[in-house]
Amino acid sequence: AQTVTQSQPEMSVQEAETVTLSCTYDTSESDYYLFWYKQPPSRQMILVIRQEAYKQQNATENRFSVNFQKAAKSFSLKISDSQLGDAAMYFCAYPQETSGSRLTFGEGTQLTVNP
Amino acid sequence: KAGVTQTPRYLIKTRGQQVTLSCSPISGHRSVSWYQQTPGQGLQFLFEYFSETQRNKGNFPGRFSGRQFSNSRSEMNVSTLELGDSALYLCASSLVGSRNTEAFFGQGTRLTVV
Repeated sequence: AQTVTQSQPEMSVQEAETVTLSCTYDTSESDYYLFWYKQPPSRQMILVIRQEAYKQQNATENRFSVNFQKAAKSFSLKISDSQLGDAAMYFCAYPQETSGSRLTFGEGTQLTVNP
Repeated sequence: KAGVTQTPRYLIKTRGQQVTLSCSPISGHRSVSWYQQTPGQGLQFLFEYFSETQRNKGNFPGRFSGRQFSNSRSEMNVSTLELGDSALYLCASSLVGSRNTEAFFGQGTRLTVV
């Protein structure tokens, strides 16, 4: 089964600065997807960005971008111009190879944004 | 359109009791998944239902069960509650539950077992 690892339990960043959250995963698949989800204090998980493994171009969504290194099995999230509202728990997720929806999540990284 | 709705938001139960949690997916979504979130184990997949059938199941004991109704609403049941079942239970819905589609989450039900 695929595994996902986030080695940074906590990170902090100054408002307007840039921060990078790390994620590594293990899989034998060649074609797959990866997601970053955000969980604010409201507890509702929100999709931040998704990457398709067969696409060489790194995904970007406004201030959020990824650095996808397929050979290294690394999928980091970069948040530019950090805002107070970015403070949350961030989870890296791998949708399992199955007919249906089954996400494997990393341990999460708690991001604090300092004013 | 309305998001994923989970009820109740908070629940306190006693060891040995059973509990039922409810999830109403986004209109038109046919896949509903359930996850358990605890500080120690993180987010763990419980099961997924699609068109009233359980399509995937995680590694949880048989005390954890679920079902899905014809309107895609889903319930999960935990019988003979244990202290370790205290957790945030999250429900997620998606259109057809394929790997590349976004799962939309509810705000969860916080279950406390005393």
